[in-house]
Amino acid sequence: DARVTQTPRHKVTEMGQEVTMRCQPILGHNTVFWYRQTMMQGLELLAYFRNRAPLDDSGMPKDRFSAEMPDATLATLKIQPSEPRDSAVYFCASGLNTRFSSTDTQYFGPGTRLTVL
Amino acid sequence: AQSVTQPDIHITVSEGASLELRCNYSYGATPYLFWYVQSPGQGLQLLLKYFSGDTLVQGIKGFEAEFKRSQSSFNLRKPSVHWSDAAEYFCLCSSASKIIFGSGTRLSIRP
Repeated sequence: DARVTQTPRHKVTEMGQEVTMRCQPILGHNTVFWYRQTMMQGLELLAYFRNRAPLDDSGMPKDRFSAEMPDATLATLKIQPSEPRDSAVYFCASGLNTRFSSTDTQYFGPGTRLTVL
Repeated sequence: AQSVTQPDIHITVSEGASLELRCNYSYGATPYLFWYVQSPGQGLQLLLKYFSGDTLVQGIKGFEAEFKRSQSSFNLRKPSVHWSDAAEYFCLCSSASKIIFGSGTRLSIRP
């Protein structure tokens, strides 16, 4: 049963530290999404990639966040330096885009719960 | 501006009762529409989706949703809820350039 994996599942760090979250999309999927979920803001799309190229990262604070796909099996989301307001659950999702739709079904990972003290 | 509205933050229904969760969207054209469910501490799982064609779509776990263009709505329904349906439900609209989740509706089940 193919699924999206995310590591770490939980991360506690101190303000100012660098945080890297990793995501392994489902093999064969060509689109990867990063979301942030908080009680106050709900689910926010941070960035997404298609065929490893960034398509939209307008939801991401550019000064401290960066997202990359070094290869088709790995997506990373990095925060440097981290701040308490970055505390949230970060979800990765992958999907298979066809030429007729910008996004088909997204398959979500279990999330990384980040706490910045 | 494009938007997705789920007007009900929290709904409580009795086990065995029917359910309808509302989703309204504002888009320039018909978007692609999805319903996802999130159980506590879990990621999101797709319940159903609508791209085109028959406006009544069937999903997993006995859920269905109806697309009504005239009302810009895509409401989720289930004829008889089970205690295991307690979760948070999200409506998603996507187009060529935008992906927007609704704010979610938390469903509680009364025994």
